Amino acid sequence: EAQVTQNPRYLITVTGKKLTVTCSQNMNHEYMSWYRQDPGLGLRQIYYSMNVEVTDKGDVPEGYKVSRKEKRNFPLILESPSPNQTSLYFCASSLLYGASSYEQYFGPGTRLTVT
Amino acid sequence: DAKTTQPNSMESNEEEPVHLPCNHSTISGTDYIHWYRQLPSQGPEYVIHGLTSNVNNRMASLAIAEDRKSSTLILHRATLRDAAVYYCISSDTSGTYKYIFGTGTRLKVLA
Repeated sequence: EAQVTQNPRYLITVTGKKLTVTCSQNMNHEYMSWYRQDPGLGLRQIYYSMNVEVTDKGDVPEGYKVSRKEKRNFPLILESPSPNQTSLYFCASSLLYGASSYEQYFGPGTRLTVT
Repeated sequence: DAKTTQPNSMESNEEEPVHLPCNHSTISGTDYIHWYRQLPSQGPEYVIHGLTSNVNNRMASLAIAEDRKSSTLILHRATLRDAAVYYCISSDTSGTYKYIFGTGTRLKVLA
């Protein structure tokens, strides 16, 4: 089954404790992306990746890191989480990003609470 | 960056057509218009996308204004399962490769 998986689905942590949220897709997609969703603010893109070893900032990259060492995986890293990073996070992937702009497939979401 | 604006909420009766508007006045000639929807407690899912001409698929129709500064997502017969937040977004093909979601329109379908 074609899918985007995220782990963990729920995470409660404390300020400053490094964490990684994993994202994996099995569709051989080149474009992958991370979003955060907050009440009243909709979805905002954190980082995206056009392909292996190619990543770039979205609209709200501060406090986050990403890496793309393999095509299927795109982990989101919070080196020193803070309470304002409490949010619902979504990973997404699509075949390409370009003039034909293929549809994005979203993961189920990771609810992160930083205390 | 291309930006979209949508009404915060809309209501529709079940079995009736729904027209969800979106303004994207800053769109460039090569930016695609995408629509996604998010059902409660789920991630967004793709609905439809287009560039210039109107588009149809099994889920919906997309009507794009001639000047491309606005578009309308049309659900031909709303069902209770269509209650969701609908996002109109634009993809930027002119330099960055970002997607910019707005706050979306919450559609309520009345039985």
